Amino acid sequence: AQSVTQPDIHITVSEGASLELRCNYSYGATPYLFWYVQSPGQGLQLLLKYFSGDTLVQGIKGFEAEFKRSQSSFNLRKPSVHWSDAAEYFCAVGPYTDKLIFGTGTRLQVFP
Amino acid sequence: EPEVTQTPSHQVTQMGQEVILRCVPISNHLYFYWYRQILGQKVEFLVSFYNNEISEKSEIFDDQFSVERPDGSNFTLKIRSTKLEDSAMYFCASKTGGYYNEQFFGPGTRLTVL
Repeated sequence: AQSVTQPDIHITVSEGASLELRCNYSYGATPYLFWYVQSPGQGLQLLLKYFSGDTLVQGIKGFEAEFKRSQSSFNLRKPSVHWSDAAEYFCAVGPYTDKLIFGTGTRLQVFP
Repeated sequence: EPEVTQTPSHQVTQMGQEVILRCVPISNHLYFYWYRQILGQKVEFLVSFYNNEISEKSEIFDDQFSVERPDGSNFTLKIRSTKLEDSAMYFCASKTGGYYNEQFFGPGTRLTVL
């Protein structure tokens, strides 16, 4: 079955610390992978996407993610977290950009 | 910057009542979607809509649900007879054509069925 797992429901980091949010997927075809962020009262905003090619992809707001086919993972990273990064983060997989399959999300809390 | 808007932000209704959730997609977009997220669960695809017809729907999208693009700007999701388990956050999304163009999401409507 096609699915996305985000093992961490809630993560707390200090401002300036590094961040890694985990995402594992199960998908029968070539996966198209996405990370979205949702700030309170806002819609889901695309951070980055992976379709093919270089397995390390750069996104907006200083985020990057690495696709590892052998581990079925697409973890999101940021070297230094800012207080404004506090939000909910969703990993998703899909056939191209249609019918996205999302994980349950990871809520990030940032302490000053 | 253009954005997808949704109204209302929060809707409370009684079980068995009909509700209509409204979305205004980005104006030049051609593909439209509804997703929902039950509290604590995954965001789930409901339906995609293109060229004035449903292009794909999930098993969740049963006969109680319908979608419509009544004019050139709105995209609506109707639930005919709400159930308690319809309580969720409903997200609308839209995109331009093409396989690789991203979906833009609205802020969601929280539906509470009592």
